[in-house]
Amino acid sequence: GAGVSQSPSNKVTEKGKDVELRCDPISGHTALYWYRQSLGQGLEFLIYFQGNSAPDKSGLPSDRFSAERTGGSVSTLTIQRTQQEDSAVYLCASSLFDRGSTDTQYFGPGTRLTVL
Amino acid sequence: SQKIEQNSEALNIQEGKTATLTCNYTNYSPAYLQWYRQDPGRGPVFLLLIRENEKEKRKERLKVTFDTTLKQSLFHITASQPADSATYLCALVPSGNTPLVFGKGTRLSVIA
Repeated sequence: GAGVSQSPSNKVTEKGKDVELRCDPISGHTALYWYRQSLGQGLEFLIYFQGNSAPDKSGLPSDRFSAERTGGSVSTLTIQRTQQEDSAVYLCASSLFDRGSTDTQYFGPGTRLTVL
Repeated sequence: SQKIEQNSEALNIQEGKTATLTCNYTNYSPAYLQWYRQDPGRGPVFLLLIRENEKEKRKERLKVTFDTTLKQSLFHITASQPADSATYLCALVPSGNTPLVFGKGTRLSVIA
């Protein structure tokens, strides 16, 4: 596709359930990012992939959060045993960032997660 | 500690005036700095990139300056319009091999 896509666009779940969020980056983009944004707040960095490797997982808030990327393309963010404080918009971005390229990021529309 | 600070959470200006948003950083030496626009319910959209050896960059009604001595970037929108109302984020690359770090953003409201 032409841009970054994310699915689902909205997800409502019950506390304690696991959820999986998906991101399809722009074709050919080597870098992929996950952010979280609570209502009215700034972007909170979660994790960054270069290819299939995650050089920086420092932003994952707890061990309930994990992410993987396969084939240098699609990524999934998994939240286990969801809590109400996990409610937020989860944004994915991709870029051509690597040595010598600028990190201009292209964002998807986000997944709005609501934990009841 | 390293910080990126955008001057205010919210800025209100009258239509037709120039909006000026500030981004200050501490303990970074970025090779470049970027500005993004975010509308409610959407992801940020890239607007402009300015490199450390550039003093100023323009795109239509937008102008960005970058002062590495003051460790500051200014983002100007001239002849502002209500359609310019959005949150504007600055972002920088801490070093050559690390990805962007974003500021918290300034919410601009242009009042007709």
